[in-house]
Amino acid sequence: DSGVTQTPKHLITATGQRVTLRCSPRSGDLSVYWYQQSLDQGLQFLIQYYNGEERAKGNILERFSAQQFPDLHSELNLSSLELGDSALYFCASSVSHRGNTEAFFGQGTRLTVV
Amino acid sequence: AQSVTQPDIHITVSEGASLELRCNYSYGATPYLFWYVQSPGQGLQLLLKYFSGDTLVQGIKGFEAEFKRSQSSFNLRKPSVHWSDAAEYFCAVALGSYGGSQGNLIFGKGTKLSVKP
Repeated sequence: DSGVTQTPKHLITATGQRVTLRCSPRSGDLSVYWYQQSLDQGLQFLIQYYNGEERAKGNILERFSAQQFPDLHSELNLSSLELGDSALYFCASSVSHRGNTEAFFGQGTRLTVV
Repeated sequence: AQSVTQPDIHITVSEGASLELRCNYSYGATPYLFWYVQSPGQGLQLLLKYFSGDTLVQGIKGFEAEFKRSQSSFNLRKPSVHWSDAAEYFCAVALGSYGGSQGNLIFGKGTKLSVKP
């Protein structure tokens, strides 16, 4: 158990809908990262937050957004869902945003868009 | 642009045999390199990482990896594979220069390891 908690574990929704994925980082971790794992694209970095502020952005679609709350949990919002958004979404956390701290991954939320 | 290539999509080895999983990277500066393992239905677990210094790094579960700058490679090895090693293995490089976060990673496509009894 990495200490990173993601909810829900599974989510099935229809095209055009909006969903919210939640991530609780390890106790004491200030940095949160979101990743998408799909069959065709593999594992892709989406976005990073550090202590409530966006720190880095990767291949995140405009239909997707994220935020990190004062209690440090994070949410990834996916809207206008398409079939191609079906994927496993991972959250990871680390103590800081610097390179000397390891990131720990949660078990992911499997999103199925039908 | 940074990239990671894992040439082997799927590898099958017999239990007790040795294992080498290949990883090549493209990165201008000294890379931060990682190997992760993903078991079915599980998250990613860090096996080992290389930042600098000794080019042979030891990790958990008996794995090791060797950084070869001349070949832009960071291959993962294990002398004797156990059935529980069956999983998918991902090589990754950290985005950004020295001090860049370990959580901002570019991953390879992964190599699925099957173990024959």
